[in-house]
Amino acid sequence: DTAVSQTPKYLVTQMGNDKSIKCEQNLGHDTMYWYKQDSKKFLKIMFSYNNKELIINETVPNRFSPKSPDKAHLNLHINSLELGDSAVYFCASSQTPSGGTGELFFGEGSRLTVL
Amino acid sequence: AQKITQTQPGMFVQEKEAVTLDCTYDTSDPSYGLFWYKQPSSGEMIFLIYQGSYDQQNATEGRYSLNFQKARKSANLVISASQLGDSAMYFCAMRELYGNNRLAFGKGNQVVVIP
Repeated sequence: DTAVSQTPKYLVTQMGNDKSIKCEQNLGHDTMYWYKQDSKKFLKIMFSYNNKELIINETVPNRFSPKSPDKAHLNLHINSLELGDSAVYFCASSQTPSGGTGELFFGEGSRLTVL
Repeated sequence: AQKITQTQPGMFVQEKEAVTLDCTYDTSDPSYGLFWYKQPSSGEMIFLIYQGSYDQQNATEGRYSLNFQKARKSANLVISASQLGDSAMYFCAMRELYGNNRLAFGKGNQVVVIP
């Protein structure tokens, strides 16, 4: 069973379209994240939810909207896609570190290409 | 400001040799955690090793060890007896006590192991 799964793995779309990426974790973690990895491999946090509550919202355009229906799911919706949105988007989860390391468990990534 | 600094250019390492990947960090939090992740060409993010700021001993996990020098704010990863499968990007990351559980990543080090 995949611990953190995200779909789709690949997404090719035209500028201006709206798309969503779904993420689910079966680890029982209470915190989930979205990271963006650009063409230079730099990983930047976008959002984080703890028990369905938004706790991190970095400087991300309003076109990006996360939604967490429950603590096992964190979806990312992107409106009006732009060329610069092309990247690999990683979902991750972690347990609040209290005695443990609290490392992030990552999904396989979703490669978004905007044409 | 960049909190995690990885400045080494891409590295070529002979199989079976050891390699050290540099990582320096910047924080004023008294409690923090340091992580190393591996990203092979297939794209997944693999957790390697963790060091807590209060840990007295350097962390080790199999062939991975972390050379933690708190006063110098460095957390270098040492990979002993390199294998071809170690070819990957390696990311250093930090979680701060007051950082809402986020992991901030460095820009990564590219390692290529040659036979």
